[in-house]
Amino acid sequence: EVQLLESGGALVQPGRSLRLSCAASGFTLSSQVMSWVRQAPGTGLEWVSAISRSGGDTYYADSVKGRFTIFRDNSKNTLLLQMNSLRVDDTAIYYCVCDLTRGLDAYDVWGQGTVVTVSS
Amino acid sequence: IVLTQSPATLSLSPGERATLSCRASQSVAANYLAWYQQTPGQAPRLLIYGASSRATGTPDRISGSGSGTDFTLTISRLEPGDFVVYYCQQYGNSISFGQGTRLEI
Repeated sequence: EVQLLESGGALVQPGRSLRLSCAASGFTLSSQVMSWVRQAPGTGLEWVSAISRSGGDTYYADSVKGRFTIFRDNSKNTLLLQMNSLRVDDTAIYYCVCDLTRGLDAYDVWGQGTVVTVSS
Repeated sequence: IVLTQSPATLSLSPGERATLSCRASQSVAANYLAWYQQTPGQAPRLLIYGASSRATGTPDRISGSGSGTDFTLTISRLEPGDFVVYYCQQYGNSISFGQGTRLEI
């Protein structure tokens, strides 16, 4: 069964760091373009970051550029998101997603999400 | 690309037809427009991709249409489980989402 399972969400203070993980099962994560999408409380969806199949190309929303880093641990079939200099407006549910069927960005596979709360 | 969904809230009854709109600030490349359904407490679920192609598991009574900058999601014969939130997304030029339409009874 194809599944994505996020972990690492926590309550952290502004300015601190956090690393999110997304473990894939049922498929090889490195064969897909993988992305993170977040949803702030009571609001809509925001694309955060993506990594190419090769891992050589990474992409970021302007709101996180320079603070977040997306990367993979192929040996563990896991996607990661290193979040530094966290801000209150980074508070959200973070979803790991991919378009397994088409290899584009119509996300047909979603994790259950992990909650990040940035507050003093 | 900025996506504007309308209306913000749509009030209908079971059995009726819902028409949800998504307008893009510029033409969506290759009509790479998707629709998602989100039930409270759950991750979104892909309904439509490429503006009009149904994702696996999407029933025939849900359809997508449109091209360029104007897109529509139509849900006929509304069922109780349809009364949730719907988002459009374009993936032709970077990625962006609309702000959502809440379908309420």
